[in-house]
Amino acid sequence: QQQVKQSPQSLIVQKGGISIINCAYENTAFDYFPWYQQFPGKGPALLIAIRPDVSEKKEGRFTISFNKSAKQFSLHIMDSQPGDSATYFCAASRGSNYQLIWGAGTKLIIKP
Amino acid sequence: KAGVTQTPRYLIKTRGQQVTLSCSPISGHRSVSWYQQTPGQGLQFLFEYFSETQRNKGNFPGRFSGRQFSNSRSEMNVSTLELGDSALYLCASSLGDSYSGNTIYFGEGSWLTVV
Repeated sequence: QQQVKQSPQSLIVQKGGISIINCAYENTAFDYFPWYQQFPGKGPALLIAIRPDVSEKKEGRFTISFNKSAKQFSLHIMDSQPGDSATYFCAASRGSNYQLIWGAGTKLIIKP
Repeated sequence: KAGVTQTPRYLIKTRGQQVTLSCSPISGHRSVSWYQQTPGQGLQFLFEYFSETQRNKGNFPGRFSGRQFSNSRSEMNVSTLELGDSALYLCASSLGDSYSGNTIYFGEGSWLTVV
């Protein structure tokens, strides 16, 4: 019940296309869902996060879509650029136990 | 504001040795978490310290230990190193209070190679 399942494991998208990464969870007590971006040789960095009281959050080309009934959330990268090539991790946490539960990561490659 | 600082950045150790890695969190952050990341693998949670107390622990053997000092700086130690311990060790800090949703900030990691 504590797992966060992330898919796909890897993704290749053409420049200008839309990249979509999905995550699913079981624990309905989760109330915070961040996405982190990691470039090679660097630590992950927060990209965007959402709470279950909204169904969508957009920051620039990055959008989180949240489906509470399906217990799924996804990251959409519009107009994908080669500079977006990185590994993306979704995560979730709940209530007073803020410890993040991590997805397995998605390696995204944007082809020029 | 300085970010999370980890030292050393790179190190090579021999099987059977021990290693200590250091992490200085962002000023004002009281929580420090440690993660292991192997090539192509996800983030494996080791442990989290808050105000010098271990608050959460992952599923790693007892060879992996850590501590946190009164200034929130943290160290992790791996004893009797094995080849499989070769990985990137990431430290992350956050405010760490009980409110869910605190952003955690990662350092650039310490690359450990065991030969």
